[in-house]
Amino acid sequence: DQQVKQNSPSLSVQEGRISILNCDYTNSMFDYFLWYKKYPAEGPTFLISISSIKDKNEDGRFTVFLNKSAKHLSLHIVPSQPGDSAVYFCAAQTTSGTYKYIFGTGTRLKVLA
Amino acid sequence: DADVTQTPRNRITKTGKRIMLECSQTKGHDRMYWYRQDPGLGLRLIYYSFDVKDINKGEISDGYSVSRQAQAKFSLSLESAIPNQTALYFCATSDRRTSGIHFGPGTRLTVT
Repeated sequence: DQQVKQNSPSLSVQEGRISILNCDYTNSMFDYFLWYKKYPAEGPTFLISISSIKDKNEDGRFTVFLNKSAKHLSLHIVPSQPGDSAVYFCAAQTTSGTYKYIFGTGTRLKVLA
Repeated sequence: DADVTQTPRNRITKTGKRIMLECSQTKGHDRMYWYRQDPGLGLRLIYYSFDVKDINKGEISDGYSVSRQAQAKFSLSLESAIPNQTALYFCATSDRRTSGIHFGPGTRLTVT
């Protein structure tokens, strides 16, 4: 039972254009969401997060949008750069209770120069 | 120096062998986790520990055991390795006061 889903295993985008990565979740108890980026031969690193009390959080070229009614979040990267090519994982957490982090299956982004 | 270290970084072992993966951290975090990554399956939680006396099973704990030897050390054992345990294994830490989880560099394990 996959509580956090990333339905696109891969995405290719031209340099300078917008990349949109999507994530859906099923557990309405999740109230904190994170995006991680992973390069080959390295551990995932934190990128950006959002609390369920917000619907948008922005950090430079990265913006995360949360639609609680649809149980959907997305990561926008504008403009996309070749160095953004990596695997992106979304994660969800319940900040009361067990505090476990549940991750999605990942989306491999390739930014074409 | 890395905040979360894992040893070994790569390991090839045979079916039926016992193997231990070790994790140590200098972040001072109280919570530690073990995840495995498989293509198409993402990062799945094996075990987690919120302090030295607290051990909890994750989504896929069968075939694995853990030991929290100290606040800074959390090891994962495969008592009798099998080929479908071939994967990339990540240790991670977090702190009760802040959000976010911090990963080590990973251990690539191959069971032949």
